[in-house]
Amino acid sequence: DQQVKQNSPSLSVQEGRISILNCDYTNSMFDYFLWYKKYPAEGPTFLISISSIKDKNEDGRFTVFLNKSAKHLSLHIVPSQPGDSAVYFCAASGGTSYGKLTFGQGTILTVHP
Amino acid sequence: DVKVTQSSRYLVKRTGEKVFLECVQDMDHENMFWYRQDPGLGLRLIYFSYDVKMKEKGDIPEGYSVSREKKERFSLILESASTNQTSMYLCASTPVQGISNQPQHFGDGTRLSIL
Repeated sequence: DQQVKQNSPSLSVQEGRISILNCDYTNSMFDYFLWYKKYPAEGPTFLISISSIKDKNEDGRFTVFLNKSAKHLSLHIVPSQPGDSAVYFCAASGGTSYGKLTFGQGTILTVHP
Repeated sequence: DVKVTQSSRYLVKRTGEKVFLECVQDMDHENMFWYRQDPGLGLRLIYFSYDVKMKEKGDIPEGYSVSREKKERFSLILESASTNQTSMYLCASTPVQGISNQPQHFGDGTRLSIL
């Protein structure tokens, strides 16, 4: 049972344009959501997070939007740069005190110069 | 900066061998986690530990065990390696026990191949 789903395995965008990565979840106990970026042969690095009490969080070029009623979150990258090309994972936690994360399958983002 | 170090970047072992994957963090973090990453499946939690000598099963613990004798070190053990355990293994840690809303810090991973 996949509780966190990224339905797009890949996304291709032009440099300077917006990248929108999507993520859906099913568990209503989740109350904290994160995005990680992963380059080949490296571990995931934390990008941005959002608590369920908010619907938007920004950090520079990265913005995460949360729609609790739809159980949907998205990551916007504006403007996209070739160095953003990587695998992006969304993750969620909640309902436990140990910070366990449940990850989506990942979306491969390719930004073309 | 948090440093999570996994002892090997690449490892090749044979079926039936006992395999140890080591992970060390240098920031006195309470919680440590082991995941495996497979294409199309994302990261799946194998085991985690919230204190020395304490461990909890994750979503896919079968065929694995763990050891946490010291706070900074968390070991993943494949008791009898099988080819379906060929994967990228990732270790992570978080600072404070009892708080859910904190990002995990990851090591660079160990690419394990079982022949």
